[in-house]
Amino acid sequence: GEDVEQSLFLSVREGDSSVINCTYTDSSSTYLYWYKQEPGAGLQLLTYIFSNMDMKQDQRLTVLLNKKDKHLSLRIADTQTGDSAIYFCAAYNFNKFYFGSGTKLNVKP
Amino acid sequence: EADIYQTPRYLVIGTGKKITLECSQTMGHDKMYWYQQDPGMELHLIHYSYGVNSTEKGDLSSESTVSRIRTEHFPLTLESARPSHTSQYLCASSESPGQGGYGYTFGSGTRLTVV
Repeated sequence: GEDVEQSLFLSVREGDSSVINCTYTDSSSTYLYWYKQEPGAGLQLLTYIFSNMDMKQDQRLTVLLNKKDKHLSLRIADTQTGDSAIYFCAAYNFNKFYFGSGTKLNVKP
Repeated sequence: EADIYQTPRYLVIGTGKKITLECSQTMGHDKMYWYQQDPGMELHLIHYSYGVNSTEKGDLSSESTVSRIRTEHFPLTLESARPSHTSQYLCASSESPGQGGYGYTFGSGTRLTVV
């Protein structure tokens, strides 16, 4: 099956850009997702990218996909304290979703 | 508004009690899932269902059981709660195969504490 990995922590200053990275192992994955989880809440879908795309931009969020290296990244421009949360990368492959372990983003004022 | 609901949000219960965590969705999704989320953040799939009367165990062994008698309802039951069951439980649903573009919709979770 698919194996999705992320670094555990990222700390940035308010106003800087944040880049959260994710790698996956199975090139058959058709959709790749980023979810956000705030304390005490469920996961909220932020954005997704289809595997035949290289980039997707949605306001402050930019998703980059390098299919050759099986590397996905989420860039948050002008990071705010409200962006502090856990971010999960996920891959969709043969009717199953595979989640990374989550990256905890801490935004310092 | 279409959504997915979990109740209760928080539950503190004594060892040996039977509990049922409720999950309902109004989106008509065929697929539903239960995840257990440990304090280290990682999500572990414990049960899933691809439709009515279909249930499967997930990747993480769990002493819980599930049922899917109606499309919109996917309750999880612990017959005898233990402190090791203390965790956050997340319910999710998704559209049928081939509709993966929109991913999961998650409930807000139930935080269970067994004392």
